[in-house]
This record gives sequence, structure tokens and C-alpha cells, in this order.
Amino acid sequence: EVQLVESGGGLVQPGGSLRLSCAASGFTFSNYEMNWVRQAPGKGLEWVSYISSGGSTIYYADSVKGRFTISRDNAKNSLYLQMNSLRAEDTAVYYCARYLVVGATFDYWGQGTLVTVSS
Amino acid sequence: QSALTQPASVSGSPGQSITISCTGTSSDVGGYNYVSWYQQHPGKAPKLMIYGVTNRPSGVSNRFSGSKSGNTASLTISGLQAEDEADYYCSSYTSITTWVFGGGTKLTVL
Repeated sequence: EVQLVESGGGLVQPGGSLRLSCAASGFTFSNYEMNWVRQAPGKGLEWVSYISSGGSTIYYADSVKGRFTISRDNAKNSLYLQMNSLRAEDTAVYYCARYLVVGATFDYWGQGTLVTVSS
Repeated sequence: QSALTQPASVSGSPGQSITISCTGTSSDVGGYNYVSWYQQHPGKAPKLMIYGVTNRPSGVSNRFSGSKSGNTASLTISGLQAEDEADYYCSSYTSITTWVFGGGTKLTVL
């Protein structure tokens, strides 16, 4: 069974940093591209970042470019999101999502971790 | 990249069919057969219901179907059931190698 478990969320002050993790199991993690998608409270979904299976290709949404860094450790079956210079508008539940090349879609999602940026 | 346009809400009675639209541009919905639909119940993670415009993942009911015409994709749910009440989001791959979501549609089963 595919499982994605996010962790690392919490309350952080504006300008602060936070590192999210996503532990994957139930599939060969190193074979799959991965993404982060977020959802602000009461709002819709917003794609944040993509990383290829080997980590060599990375994309970011304009809203986080230059502030967030996606990475992965295939030996640890883990995906990460380093978030710096956090703003109030970054407050959201952050989901890691497995990418399915056929269909360019997100086929499995974790349960999410809440990041709150507030003073 | 602007969000795709979905109606804020739709409703239907049990057994009826409803359709949710998702309008984008030639740079996303109209340019690729990479439209997906997700179902999200309150407090839960999104669940993939349709990918590649018309394809259903294993385990998804055949009451869910997708289509596309030009820059507008659609999700149709037939034989509405109470458990279908949820938020639905469309998404599309885009020409600038990003992914864009719709604003979401709240489905109410009357």
C-alpha cells in the first residue's frame, strides 16, 4: 500500500524557516517523481514544487521561487521542502504527492502537515 | 499562471447526474490531454478521480467520467450518491512546466 506521511509543520514567525519531510513507503520511491502541493485554510489547491526521480530536475511555482528548496534522499525514501523567508500567505496545509507521468497527474497524496506563519 | 475556472458550487439529488466545468487556456487545458480531477472530503487529502482527461484510476467508480472540448474540461458524476458530496478540483499541466488547479467546486447532494 502506498503511504506518504508528512511531518515538520508548525507555527513559525514571518521571515522564519521550516523544513518539511515526507516519508514514502509501499512503492519504489526512487522510480517516481514527486511534488509538494499546498492548500491555504478554506482555499483551493496550489502546486508548489516538482522534483524528478533522481533529483536533477526541479521546478517551482513563482510564489515560492527563491525561498523554497525541494530535495529528496532516495536512500531514505524521503522528500523534503526547505522553506525560508516565510510569509503569512505561506500558511497552508502542505501535501506531498506522487507524480504519475502517464497523465501528468498526482496519483497519491499524504495527509498533509499544517504550516502557520504568524507573529 | 492563473487558476483554472470552476463553478463555486453545484448540487443535485440522489440518482441524478451533474457536470462540473473547468475552463483554462490553450496553454494548459486546451493544449494538453493532461487534465485531472480530484475529490476532497472535509479534512481529508485529495483523491485522484480522473487523469488524462478521461481515465479512471483503479478503484474509482465508473459513475465518474471526464471529457474535454477546447479549453474547457468537464467532470460528470452520474447516479449521484450521498458519499459524492465533497469538493472537486481540476488540474492541468501547463506549457511552462508547471501545474495549475481550479478554484474548486463544492458538490452538494440534496
